[in-house]
Amino acid sequence: DADVTQTPRNRITKTGKRIMLECSQTKGHDRMYWYRQDPGLGLRLIYYSFDVKDINKGEISDGYSVSRQAQAKFSLSLESAIPNQTALYFCATSDWTVQEETQYFGPGTRLLVL
Amino acid sequence: GQQLNQSPQSMFIQEGEDVSMNCTSSSIFNTWLWYKQDPGEGPVLLIALYKAGELTSNGRLTAQFGITRKDSFLNISASIPSDVGIYFCAGRRIGSQGNLIFGKGTKLSVKP
Repeated sequence: DADVTQTPRNRITKTGKRIMLECSQTKGHDRMYWYRQDPGLGLRLIYYSFDVKDINKGEISDGYSVSRQAQAKFSLSLESAIPNQTALYFCATSDWTVQEETQYFGPGTRLLVL
Repeated sequence: GQQLNQSPQSMFIQEGEDVSMNCTSSSIFNTWLWYKQDPGEGPVLLIALYKAGELTSNGRLTAQFGITRKDSFLNISASIPSDVGIYFCAGRRIGSQGNLIFGKGTKLSVKP
């Protein structure tokens, strides 16, 4: 089974709708991240969480919110989706307890906002 | 926000050729990571570098952490069709909270 899973894998929604993307991990990592990927722009950080009680804004947090329900779960919400939020969204995790910290990515959620 | 300068943006090569790509930054980094992304999938870690000057191999892949700590390169030797994909560098600045900064990617195409 995959260590980092994302649901749904694909989603089509309409402008103004509220949607939630979910991420679960079985790696036991404390740190979780949400990224957005657009063609030619690489990966940009939306929000990150270093533990259950810690939530931090990333580079492009406007229009998004997150919830860290448990160590293993980190969800991303679009309160009122707009077309320029059409993108590929990735969740990632990392283990801060090791000096050589590395991030591991989920398979992604492809979102289309009409 | 800050991003790494990754080059080239894309490469079209013949199977069997060697490939080289690099990333540079204006900041000093303490970590360099190289990821590969296949279509429709998430990035997968290829090589991780944690010390200046470090040279690490993973099969046909070799990556180095630059001595200045502001750059890194990835080489792929004897490319094969399954090397096709987008390669990303990522780095962590000294003194940062641990967040990674990503390059914009190098798209590799391999002709059989």
